[in-house]
Amino acid sequence: AQKVTQAQTEISVVEKEDVTLDCVYETRDTTYYLFWYKQPPSGELVFLIRRNSFDEQNEISGRYSWNFQKSTSSFNFTITASQVVDSAVYFCALSEAGRGGSYIPTFGRGTSLIVHP
Amino acid sequence: ETGVTQSPTHLIKTRGQQVTLRCSSQSGHNTVSWYQQALGQGPQFIFQYYREEENGRGNFPPRFSGLQFPNYSSELNVNALELDDSALYLCASSRGQGNVGDTQYFGPGTRLTVL
Repeated sequence: AQKVTQAQTEISVVEKEDVTLDCVYETRDTTYYLFWYKQPPSGELVFLIRRNSFDEQNEISGRYSWNFQKSTSSFNFTITASQVVDSAVYFCALSEAGRGGSYIPTFGRGTSLIVHP
Repeated sequence: ETGVTQSPTHLIKTRGQQVTLRCSSQSGHNTVSWYQQALGQGPQFIFQYYREEENGRGNFPPRFSGLQFPNYSSELNVNALELDDSALYLCASSRGQGNVGDTQYFGPGTRLTVL
């Protein structure tokens, strides 16, 4: 069975600090995908990144970067020079193929990031 | 803006009633998924439809059912509402067939309160 653990319930930082959100996953499949989503107070989940299990390259997008390590089953997310607009709940998600190849996603419980001015 | 809309925004029902939630996907998105997000929790996958047929289901009872229409709209129906059904219900659409790895685009959700 698949599982996603986001051990940090809430993180509070001051603007311009760097912050890392942890994500640890469990799966028995060799083919799977990992995602990060941002959920601002408006409620709409915003897609940030997708990574498949065969691509362990780290990725950087502006102030955002992701570190995927299969050896530790982790897919951590770092925000550099945080801004107040980064305040939101961040979810890590794992999807593995169900029967017939359909998509069965599992989300973590989320990490609430609060960035103070 | 993801182009996915949901209605209504908020809804209050009483235990035992039935409810229908609606979602309108982006044009060309043939797959729609529904999620339940309880307060303080991550979204939980309810089911997924591809071209009007259910092709994936999470651990939810049969009183949760859905429909998908050719015009990229869909419905989530919940019968015999229980207090624990109070949650934010999210709809998500994707271009593909709902396969592992498809990127999903979420709507703003419908907040359902069951009294």
